[in-house]
Amino acid sequence: AQKVTQAQTEISVVEKEDVTLDCVYETRDTTYYLFWYKQPPSGELVFLIRRNSFDEQNEISGRYSWNFQKSTSSFNFTITASQVVDSAVYFCALRFMNTGFQKLVFGTGTRLLVSP
Amino acid sequence: EAQVTQNPRYLITVTGKKLTVTCSQNMNHEYMSWYRQDPGLGLRQIYYSMNVEVTDKGDVPEGYKVSRKEKRNFPLILESPSPNQTSLYFCASSLDSGDVQETQYFGPGTRLLVL
Repeated sequence: AQKVTQAQTEISVVEKEDVTLDCVYETRDTTYYLFWYKQPPSGELVFLIRRNSFDEQNEISGRYSWNFQKSTSSFNFTITASQVVDSAVYFCALRFMNTGFQKLVFGTGTRLLVSP
Repeated sequence: EAQVTQNPRYLITVTGKKLTVTCSQNMNHEYMSWYRQDPGLGLRQIYYSMNVEVTDKGDVPEGYKVSRKEKRNFPLILESPSPNQTSLYFCASSLDSGDVQETQYFGPGTRLLVL
């Protein structure tokens, strides 16, 4: 089955702490894409990153970094020096081909609370 | 500005009263989809459309209908809403139905409360 697991339901940290959000996926496909989306309290979904299955290079964007490891089927997201504005629900998602068309499957999300 | 719009953003209704949530995109995207978001369940796909007049069920289609008469619009119809359809709904679109690398762009969401 094609599936995304975000085992951490909620994480609370104090500002300036580093925090890692875990994402484990299952897929039979060799070609797939992984995504992270942020959902702030206002409710919209903000696209953060896309990573294809053939590119295992880690990526850093400011305080955000992503660690993709095919050997463990994980695509973890780390926020360095967290800030209150990072408080949100974060979703990991898997895109694969299903009978000729693309399908996107989401994890259940991790709520991150950053307190001052 | 490239975007996906949804209307209304907030809706309170009563059981059994038919309603439609509109979704429109201005990017000439082929693929459009509806999701619902519920606490602890993430986003689940309701229906999707690969192009005009081509629609199919997602993972949780019961109680919903869709249509795709024009490329830009993909309305979600609840013929007889029930309280278990209270949820946050997202419309999304992407350029190519058959390309796994395409990123989906999401609308702002519609919060629906069915009393």
